[in-house]
Amino acid sequence: DGGITQSPKYLFRKEGQNVTLSCEQNLNHDAMYWYRQDPGQGLRLIYYSQIVNDFQKGDIAEGYSVSREKKESFPLTVTSAQKNPTAFYLCASTQGTGNSYEQYFGPGTRLTVT
Amino acid sequence: AQSVAQPEDQVNVAEGNPLTVKCTYSVSGNPYLFWYVQYPNRGLQFLLKYITGDNLVKGSYGFEAEFNKSQTSFHLKKPSALVSDSALYFCAVSDNTGGFKTIFGAGTRLFVKA
Repeated sequence: DGGITQSPKYLFRKEGQNVTLSCEQNLNHDAMYWYRQDPGQGLRLIYYSQIVNDFQKGDIAEGYSVSREKKESFPLTVTSAQKNPTAFYLCASTQGTGNSYEQYFGPGTRLTVT
Repeated sequence: AQSVAQPEDQVNVAEGNPLTVKCTYSVSGNPYLFWYVQYPNRGLQFLLKYITGDNLVKGSYGFEAEFNKSQTSFHLKKPSALVSDSALYFCAVSDNTGGFKTIFGAGTRLFVKA
């Protein structure tokens, strides 16, 4: 988990509330990612960003929003429009140059919405 | 479009026996292939990768994987399994057309019995 921090580890919210998940990296990586993990479904890409002030939708972006104002930070907002937000959320980063395309993951945030 | 298949939800092996976790992929360009491991309630940890070069790649904790272009496979192997290898394993693929988008398989749970 080294180099990427996610907070908090556990998060509880009431239905209808927006919630923002934090992701910070000190690896000086250009690219950052948000994934959602549900049992038996592996990781699904929500958003990714290759560079500051730019990001692209992944496969399941509906109901989520992101920003990339700083290289080190890539916060994810789970909006009230996300129909099934309870999940384990993972942030990752990669240098994405040379031979270094592997991703480094944070410890994850488990979000429970009731 | 990229895709990854891990055909086995679970693999059971006895400690000391060789293990194989299977992965097949589909990409439009040259593949970048990865294996990651996840322990309960943790982020993913990078094990090994194939970008180019030798088809047999060696990674962390004694794991290795063989890239087979004709069979579009990248199976993970270890000559002698340990109980501590029990975890969830993910295969992932990126193409080299830019964008750093990575697709993960659904994961294979490995149980190593003492």
